[in-house]
Amino acid sequence: AQTVTQSQPEMSVQEAETVTLSCTYDTSESDYYLFWYKQPPSRQMILVIRQEAYKQQNATENRFSVNFQKAAKSFSLKISDSQLGDAAMYFCAYRSAWGGGTSYGKLTFGQGTILTVHP
Amino acid sequence: GAVVSQHPSWVICKSGTSVKIECRSLDFQATTMFWYRQFPKQSLMLMATSNEGSKATYEQGVEKDKFLINHASLTLSTLTVTSAHPEDSSFYICSAVTGDNSPLHFGNGTRLTVT
Repeated sequence: AQTVTQSQPEMSVQEAETVTLSCTYDTSESDYYLFWYKQPPSRQMILVIRQEAYKQQNATENRFSVNFQKAAKSFSLKISDSQLGDAAMYFCAYRSAWGGGTSYGKLTFGQGTILTVHP
Repeated sequence: GAVVSQHPSWVICKSGTSVKIECRSLDFQATTMFWYRQFPKQSLMLMATSNEGSKATYEQGVEKDKFLINHASLTLSTLTVTSAHPEDSSFYICSAVTGDNSPLHFGNGTRLTVT
């Protein structure tokens, strides 16, 4: 079974600064997807960024980028130029790329990191 | 983009009663939907996988008779919390898969309070 670990229960950052959230995972599979989701106080799950394991290039979405280290099974999220609206709980998640079975699409989440942004 | 509608967004019920939560895919067919439970400031814990036309697959430790899941059509899955008790109070979120290589789409969640 796959596991996802976020070792930082809480992080804080000053507005306009950069912060990095850590995530490690364990799997025996070679093909999979990794995600970062943001959950603001509204509790809506918002996809921040996604990485396919077969791609060596790190994914980037505007101010959000990842550092994907497949051999180390590490998937950190960097938020640049932090904004007050970035304050939320962030979840790292794993999904198998295997397309068979009734559990296709199942996400395994890390424990989450609460990010506070100080003005 | 794909939209998942979850209803109700919040519900208060008395202990011993049953509550039904609906999860609908509005503009796509979802053969598989997932139900998660989340306590405050904690992660999402998968409760069960709902497959259209077949029995749901429950995660270890989840009571099948307590949390009834029905996926009668390609656009609707329901979670019924039977004989609810205060410890069932939580935030329940559904999600659906649209197809290969696509990210999950989440409903807005349901906050259940059992008094």
